[in-house]
Amino acid sequence: DARVTQTPRHKVTEMGQEVTMRCQPILGHNTVFWYRQTMMQGLELLAYFRNRAPLDDSGMPKDRFSAEMPDATLATLKIQPSEPRDSAVYFCASGLSAQVGTGELFFGEGSRLTVL
Amino acid sequence: AQSVTQLDSQVPVFEEAPVELRCNYSSSVSVYLFWYVQYPNQGLQLLLKYLSGSTLVESINGFEAEFNKSQTSFHLRKPSVHISDTAEYFCAASDNYGQNFVFGPGTRLSVLP
Repeated sequence: DARVTQTPRHKVTEMGQEVTMRCQPILGHNTVFWYRQTMMQGLELLAYFRNRAPLDDSGMPKDRFSAEMPDATLATLKIQPSEPRDSAVYFCASGLSAQVGTGELFFGEGSRLTVL
Repeated sequence: AQSVTQLDSQVPVFEEAPVELRCNYSSSVSVYLFWYVQYPNQGLQLLLKYLSGSTLVESINGFEAEFNKSQTSFHLRKPSVHISDTAEYFCAASDNYGQNFVFGPGTRLSVLP
């Protein structure tokens, strides 16, 4: 059963600590998205990769957030240093570039981050 | 660029009652429209989509949505809801190049016994 896998599912950390979230896209998918979900802001696009290259990271606070794809099977989202306002659920989604525009986007179960 | 509006942040309904979740979009180009569902503690799943052709599209679990170009709407409806339909529903749009994929703010549907 192909699925997007995200780790950790839950993370509680203290302000100032580094947080790394990982995503394993569905095998063969060449497009990866990172979204952040909060009650106040809803779903926000943070970054978007195609064939491991970042195409759009305009939604990401550059001073503390970084997103990478070290290889086709791993995407990472790092926050350093973390702040309480970063508390949210972070979703990774993957798809095939030819199909993403038609809605074929597959989401992981999310990483719930709490920064104290 | 597209934008999507969902005016209702929360919709409570009783089981077996009909429901309509509203979605309006704005775009200067042709759009594709989608509804995604997010069950508690899960990621989003594609529920149904409009790409072209028939303006009425259906999902496998009884939801339907109708594309109305003149009203720039894509409302989601179900004639009789179940407890298991309790979830958050997101309307989304993209241009027909597959770029500029935008989600609405979501509507939380609560089905009450």
